[in-house]
Amino acid sequence: RKEVEQDPGPFNVPEGATVAFNCTYSNSASQSFFWYRQDCRKEPKLLMSVYSSGNEDGRFTAQLNRASQYISLLIRDSKLSDSATYLCVVNIDASSGDKLTFGTGTRLAVRP
Amino acid sequence: DADVTQTPRNRITKTGKRIMLECSQTKGHDRMYWYRQDPGLGLRLIYYSFDVKDINKGEISDGYSVSRQAQAKFSLSLESAIPNQTALYFCATSAYRGRPSKQYFGPGTRLTVT
Repeated sequence: RKEVEQDPGPFNVPEGATVAFNCTYSNSASQSFFWYRQDCRKEPKLLMSVYSSGNEDGRFTAQLNRASQYISLLIRDSKLSDSATYLCVVNIDASSGDKLTFGTGTRLAVRP
Repeated sequence: DADVTQTPRNRITKTGKRIMLECSQTKGHDRMYWYRQDPGLGLRLIYYSFDVKDINKGEISDGYSVSRQAQAKFSLSLESAIPNQTALYFCATSAYRGRPSKQYFGPGTRLTVT
């Protein structure tokens, strides 16, 4: 089993749609969770951290379910500019310090 | 100006050649990382450094070496390049805050080994 698993997609949705991505992680001791966004051939950029109680940033909502070992990202009112690959990122092992493990990404395409 | 820069941005080299990729940062971060990205495999950690005197292997360090010349500079070398090292390479930085924190990535170096 991969340490961090994501559905690769692509998710093809119309503008204005709501779309959700899930990600599962293998180590129940994982401490920190993030969603990064990566545009084609560009560097990954932090979209948002994921907190235990869930958190929202504008149209984006992140949730953590420790019991089931998954995190989710919900995008409401999708924009064309949301088209990108979304990377689920986990600090798998707290003893490893800042080391992060990246999922392979879920590709989102928002159409007019 | 970008906070994390990488040079070169693109490089084509031949099998067996030694090549160095350079990373510089102006963020004042103590921690730096080198990753490679391949289609379908995501980002994989090659080496990381938590300060100038600290170098650690990541999950795929074979065939690579690094040098942390200063807090702001972290170089990745391919001693004898081979075609399966063709990939997109990213440098990243972070600041220690007692728990894993945001990493800032450079723009990437696209390396092709023929």
